Amino acid sequence: AQSVTQLGSHVSVSEGALVLLRCNYSSSVPPYLFWYVQYPNQGLQLLLKYTTGATLVKGINGFEAEFKKSETSFHLTKPSAHMSDAAEYFCAVSSGGYQKVTFGTGTKLQVIP
Amino acid sequence: EAQVTQNPRYLITVTGKKLTVTCSQNMNHEYMSWYRQDPGLGLRQIYYSMNVEVTDKGDVPEGYKVSRKEKRNFPLILESPSPNQTSLYFCASSQTGGAYGYTFGSGTRLTVV
Repeated sequence: AQSVTQLGSHVSVSEGALVLLRCNYSSSVPPYLFWYVQYPNQGLQLLLKYTTGATLVKGINGFEAEFKKSETSFHLTKPSAHMSDAAEYFCAVSSGGYQKVTFGTGTKLQVIP
Repeated sequence: EAQVTQNPRYLITVTGKKLTVTCSQNMNHEYMSWYRQDPGLGLRQIYYSMNVEVTDKGDVPEGYKVSRKEKRNFPLILESPSPNQTSLYFCASSQTGGAYGYTFGSGTRLTVV
């Protein structure tokens, strides 16, 4: 069985401040991990993914995430928040291939001017 | 442009009136899936398809049907909609399962009264 826990359903940061969105996963096999972003009235868009190899993964729009096996975490960060980053972010886990993808419940990011 | 197209974007219907939400992708993807998104619950998988004529249940299949007669199309059918099926629905596709990341449609907001 696999699961994802996103800590904090709402996160507020000031423009220019560090963005940190937390994700912890549970998986019985080496996981594939993802972050998706959903802007208002749009579908989800893949932000970045970890499959194998380098544990620090860079994505679009300046976001990155680090896979930490010992902490079963895959937190999403961005050094400096922009107003355009306001959206809902979903962490997801899979066992690979055609295996099921399990999504977290999402974190809404608010960026304060 | 590579995309997943869902129609309609918005739909209001009455209890018991059969409806179909269409989904089409132009990327020659083998894998397609339907999710519903509800506040506080994240995305839950309804049905998925690994190829033409191959479909299987996800986590919440009750009250839904799907078919995959052509590779590009994967319609979602609600034969007798009920108010608890009011939700935001997403179709997604991937070359080989969700492990490599999905491409999502823009969503269909369904209200059943």
